[in-house]
Amino acid sequence: LAKTTQPISMDSYEGQEVNITCSHNNIATNDYITWYQQFPSQGPRFIIQGYKTKVTNEVASLFIPADRKSSTLSLPRVSLSDTAVYYCLVGDNNNNDMRFGAGTRLTVKP
Amino acid sequence: GAGVSQSPRYKVTKRGQDVALRCDPISGHVSLYWYRQALGQGPEFLTYFNYEAQQDKSGLPNDRFSAERPEGSISTLTIQRTEQRDSAMYRCASSLAQASYEQYFGPGTRLTVT
Repeated sequence: LAKTTQPISMDSYEGQEVNITCSHNNIATNDYITWYQQFPSQGPRFIIQGYKTKVTNEVASLFIPADRKSSTLSLPRVSLSDTAVYYCLVGDNNNNDMRFGAGTRLTVKP
Repeated sequence: GAGVSQSPRYKVTKRGQDVALRCDPISGHVSLYWYRQALGQGPEFLTYFNYEAQQDKSGLPNDRFSAERPEGSISTLTIQRTEQRDSAMYRCASSLAQASYEQYFGPGTRLTVT
């Protein structure tokens, strides 16, 4: 049973805000939500992690509603270089069961 | 500082040969993880270590795959009697905290079995 569900692909244009939503209906109390970014020919890169409400860093924001059954990764004003695959993962931060799905392939167009 | 390094970056081997893939984690990182990634798919978990102790090897496909981290730093993933289906990108990651979801990945080793 998949722990997360996210769109297979998304298109956007330079300068737009992009929101990628991930569904995790069976999230457990101890689970955190973590997002990774992967460029072609590179390893995944940790972007952001959160437990509830909102988390923001220099790269992105993560919005988590009160029921925690979904989360939204928000990328402000994307550029061509943000074209990548974005992975949403859910799990206990102290018990490695990190399992990547297929991710969301974001394509930013000029 | 130096990130996670892996060697070799590319390995071509003949079916039936053994291969050893090396991972050098970020200095001071407690946990080390191995993944395999097929083209167009997300990384697939293989195994991980806290210090020198292997914690979970449930992702290893079969008994031809093994891993070690004898001194709690460098790790080696060994594949015996390679088969064509073993061809993939093998990725290593490390984390400062034990079993953390905040992991730092290396560049990977592209293995091709002919």
